[in-house]
Amino acid sequence: QKEVEQNSGPLSVPEGAIASLNCTYSDQGSQSFFWYRQYSGKSPELIMFIYSNGDKEDGRFTAQLNKASQYVSLLIRDSQPSDSATYLCAVIYSGSEKLVFGKGTKLTVNP
Amino acid sequence: DADVTQTPRNRITKTGKRIMLECSQTKGHDRMYWYRQDPGLGLRLIYYSFDVKDINKGEISDGYSVSRQAQAKFSLSLESAIPNQTALYFCATSVTGYTDTQYFGPGTRLTVL
Repeated sequence: QKEVEQNSGPLSVPEGAIASLNCTYSDQGSQSFFWYRQYSGKSPELIMFIYSNGDKEDGRFTAQLNKASQYVSLLIRDSQPSDSATYLCAVIYSGSEKLVFGKGTKLTVNP
Repeated sequence: DADVTQTPRNRITKTGKRIMLECSQTKGHDRMYWYRQDPGLGLRLIYYSFDVKDINKGEISDGYSVSRQAQAKFSLSLESAIPNQTALYFCATSVTGYTDTQYFGPGTRLTVL
């Protein structure tokens, strides 16, 4: 069974700190990895995608991928209260063109 | 105007009723998806369509059916609603599967009494 695992949290960090969100997946052949942000009662919106091992940076966000360990993470630097949301990790497994979502990690950034 | 719209946004219905949720998109994407979201269970794929003539079951299709009326329209039906179909339903679109983003509609909150 294809799974995407995330710590459900809640994860609480102070404003200005680095928030670290983690995700593991079960298929080593997976090629595409996504992080979505979802505010309460709203629809998911893409933050970042990553396909290659290593780091990918976009503003305050950094996605990190380690295919050997089947691990993908999202770092949020200088966390703001507006970053408080649920973060969904999603994976496209090898041989598939569908996203498999994790259950999400709820992040709270305290002023 | 929103690129992906869903109607209705909220719906309360009774057990046994037939209900249709509609999704329209102006993004010109070929691929459309229906998900449901339940607290603690994340997003789960119900049905997906890669073009007007291609419709596929997702992981939780039992009790649901879909219709792809046009490239821009994808409807989800509950033939006989039951209380455990109470959930938040999202429609999404994408250009391709491997590398492209899925864009989500605002969601429909469905309550089955």
